[in-house]
Amino acid sequence: EDQVTQSPEALRLQEGESSSLNCSYTVSGLRGLFWYRQDPGKGPEFLFTLYSAGEEKEKERLKATLTKKESFLHITAPKPEDSATYLCAVQKNSGGSNYKLTFGKGTLLTVNP
Amino acid sequence: DTGVSQNPRHKITKRGQNVTFRCDPISEHNRLYWYRQTLGQGPEFLTYFQNEAQLEKSRLLSDRFSAERPKGSFSTLEIQRTEQGDSAMYLCASSPGTSGYQETQYFGPGTRLLVL
Repeated sequence: EDQVTQSPEALRLQEGESSSLNCSYTVSGLRGLFWYRQDPGKGPEFLFTLYSAGEEKEKERLKATLTKKESFLHITAPKPEDSATYLCAVQKNSGGSNYKLTFGKGTLLTVNP
Repeated sequence: DTGVSQNPRHKITKRGQNVTFRCDPISEHNRLYWYRQTLGQGPEFLTYFQNEAQLEKSRLLSDRFSAERPKGSFSTLEIQRTEQGDSAMYLCASSPGTSGYQETQYFGPGTRLLVL
């Protein structure tokens, strides 16, 4: 069964204090790994898709990387507006047409000014 | 591109009542997904449509749940005889369905259901 484990469950940073979030996954055939940001009471907002080990993507203060077993979301010099829950999800390459996502529980990031 | 929209945004109902939620996907997106999210958890897959065809249902989706996507446009999710355990955020997502591989799903704002 596909599994996604995110750590830590919660992370509190001071503004400007860089850190990383981890997403470990077990899936038989990875089609893609996705990072989303979710603010309280809202739907997940797409950030990145990674498809193969060694791939990296950046957006503003965020950088996502992928290995064969895990993905990291690096946050450089975070600001209070980066506070949110960050969700990781995997999409299995099942050979079929279902592109469903399997999510982790998320990491709640709080950035204090 | 207006994004995925969901209505209503909030719904409070009494146990045993039926409720129906609506999702309007991004224009021309062929694939549509429903997920359920409870507090402190990530979204869990419920069901998936390719155009108007419902291709997969999770075992989380009991017989009280039914989803439709007439004419491959908007979708509805109905819960009959609601139970307190149905209280959750119901999320809809859509993806283009034109690529055989790269399929990013874009989520709507969700419908929060509270069953009293």
